[in-house]
Amino acid sequence: KNEVEQSPQNLTAQEGEFITINCSYSVGISALHWLQQHPGGGIVSLFMLSSGKKKHGRLIATINIQEKHSSLHITASHPRDSAVYICAVETSGSRLTFGEGTQLTVNP
Amino acid sequence: SQTIHQWPATLVQPVGSPLSLECTVEGTSNPNLYWYRQAAGRGLQLLFYSVGIGQISSEVPQNLSASRPQDRQFILSSKKLLLSDSGFYLCAWRQGPHNEQFFGPGTRLTVL
Repeated sequence: KNEVEQSPQNLTAQEGEFITINCSYSVGISALHWLQQHPGGGIVSLFMLSSGKKKHGRLIATINIQEKHSSLHITASHPRDSAVYICAVETSGSRLTFGEGTQLTVNP
Repeated sequence: SQTIHQWPATLVQPVGSPLSLECTVEGTSNPNLYWYRQAAGRGLQLLFYSVGIGQISSEVPQNLSASRPQDRQFILSSKKLLLSDSGFYLCAWRQGPHNEQFFGPGTRLTVL
């Protein structure tokens, strides 16, 4: 079992829908990161959080440390949100452990 | 502002040839530096990280090596490439633990 599990692996939505991507982890962490990888391969950091909730525009990330679970929500989804969303956890030292990613496709 | 550069963007190399990928960061000092590989259809795999000049931690045994000759320069090398070395190589930096990580544009390597 991977230390970081994401679900679903693939997600297709219609424009405007509310989207949720889940991340569960099995180890103690000091922080959790959500990343976005565009079709060309470039990766952008969306959030880093260690408790509670953060919001940037239409994106919301939450984390429940006790349940070892985080969610990434996208409100009013748009085709430009189509990308791979990656969850990564920070344990000890300077390294991150990554989930396999969730491929999101938003159709117009 | 900080920027991270990687080159080349794409590379096609024959099996057995050497490799050198370079990553440089501007606008910061003493960053933590990382090399990742993403094989086709797979997640990110940490290859090496460095918390300072000359300090390299290897995560996965392989025929690759890394060096950090200067504070903001990180180099990934191989003496003899294997077919299995094909993939998308990403360099990243951050200012110590518990900070956001910033990724370079990546190098797509195909070994034939």
